[in-house]
Amino acid sequence: EAGVAQSPRYKIIEKRQSVAFWCNPISGHATLYWYQQILGQGPKLLIQFQNNGVVDDSQLPKDRFSAERLKGVDSTLKIQPAKLEDSAVYLCASSPGQGRGEQYFGPGTRLTVT
Amino acid sequence: GENVEQHPSTLSVQEGDSAVIKCTYSDSASNYFPWYKQELGKRPQLIIDIRSNVGEKKDQRIAVTLNKTAKHFSLHITETQPEDSAVYFCAASNTGNQFYFGTGTSLTVIP
Repeated sequence: EAGVAQSPRYKIIEKRQSVAFWCNPISGHATLYWYQQILGQGPKLLIQFQNNGVVDDSQLPKDRFSAERLKGVDSTLKIQPAKLEDSAVYLCASSPGQGRGEQYFGPGTRLTVT
Repeated sequence: GENVEQHPSTLSVQEGDSAVIKCTYSDSASNYFPWYKQELGKRPQLIIDIRSNVGEKKDQRIAVTLNKTAKHFSLHITETQPEDSAVYFCAASNTGNQFYFGTGTSLTVIP
């Protein structure tokens, strides 16, 4: 079984530029998550999708971050414009859903904003 | 919402000794409690989990215990090895598949 795929793995941009991340979850997983992990901290949920609907985006800075999962499979997360404090690892994870737990993480995208 | 607290934040043990990491949660609706191991620069890896209808689960050198009444759960690693050195995160989840993470424990196993 293939794992959660993410790209790119690394990205360096200047502040005020835009960036997009892509995630392809494990096949058949209904729930997809985007997390932000700052060095030395635990993952912080940005947004949770159930199929193509948003379950929780309460911690997503909506003035600059957006995410979509149009066909209920892969997803993109965008930051526009980026700030220095957005430097972090962005982790995508997926779960079968239906209360089954078992969340699996992708390798992450390390974003550096200069 | 759920609040997960994790202790200690750092832990150093001698190789061969045991390590215990403790977490508490606040929401009685949480029913699934995974533990993740994250090595430097890598993704969090699920190492063991427990559901609310079970009090203890063991997998070789690692075990997790759950006390629903007190709302706490713990990770136990026996016979620690240098490769166990990593950051460990606990989490609590509910039927809505929302996950709430602890702040992490940096474990160092001294050879």
